[in-house]
Amino acid sequence: GAGVSQSPSNKVTEKGKDVELRCDPISGHTALYWYRQSLGQGLEFLIYFQGNSAPDKSGLPSDRFSAERTGGSVSTLTIQRTQQEDSAVYLCASSLVAGLGRHEQYFGPGTRLTVT
Amino acid sequence: KQEVTQIPAALSVPEGENLVLNCSFTDSAIYNLQWFRQDPGKGLTSLLLIQSSQREQTSGRLNASLDKSSGRSTLYIAASQPGDSATYLCAVSVLTQGGSEKLVFGKGTKLTVNP
Repeated sequence: GAGVSQSPSNKVTEKGKDVELRCDPISGHTALYWYRQSLGQGLEFLIYFQGNSAPDKSGLPSDRFSAERTGGSVSTLTIQRTQQEDSAVYLCASSLVAGLGRHEQYFGPGTRLTVT
Repeated sequence: KQEVTQIPAALSVPEGENLVLNCSFTDSAIYNLQWFRQDPGKGLTSLLLIQSSQREQTSGRLNASLDKSSGRSTLYIAASQPGDSATYLCAVSVLTQGGSEKLVFGKGTKLTVNP
């Protein structure tokens, strides 16, 4: 079956512009995660969605970052007024949920964001 | 704050050798531990998941162990092949400040298997 898909695969933007990154999770997976992988920091958690519940935004680095998940499926991560330190690979993951930590997370190929 | 450390940062071995990758974490309050591989420019592929109540998991030539009380995990790769060359990431599943779950990752071990 289809895995997690993300678009675009690469995005180059000018400092100060807004960007939107998209994630399509595996069908039937109710949990969706966004992570960021940068050279200096490694992989870090950004936000978590579970079904129609309010998202867990505890990993978002600033209020310039926001995310939505429509209809419990597709998610969009938006970065407003991009800065050079936002340059990173943004990874999306999904999993089945039947209790915390029960299921493995499946990752998409990522979106490489470069802010010039 | 949970911290995950992987040693060594890089490893180069000849084909056919058995090898061990190490992972340590500072807080034993974890739900599970996952090992991933990442190929250059690609996303993460899940290799093995060990629940906090388990001691090990096996898949083909891979065996992962977990000692939660000492905060350690190892990934054993038997009879290594050039196709095993990749970065291997260890991650622990923990409770977030928001009451949900997230993975905390190590910085990875870059493995090169030479033909």
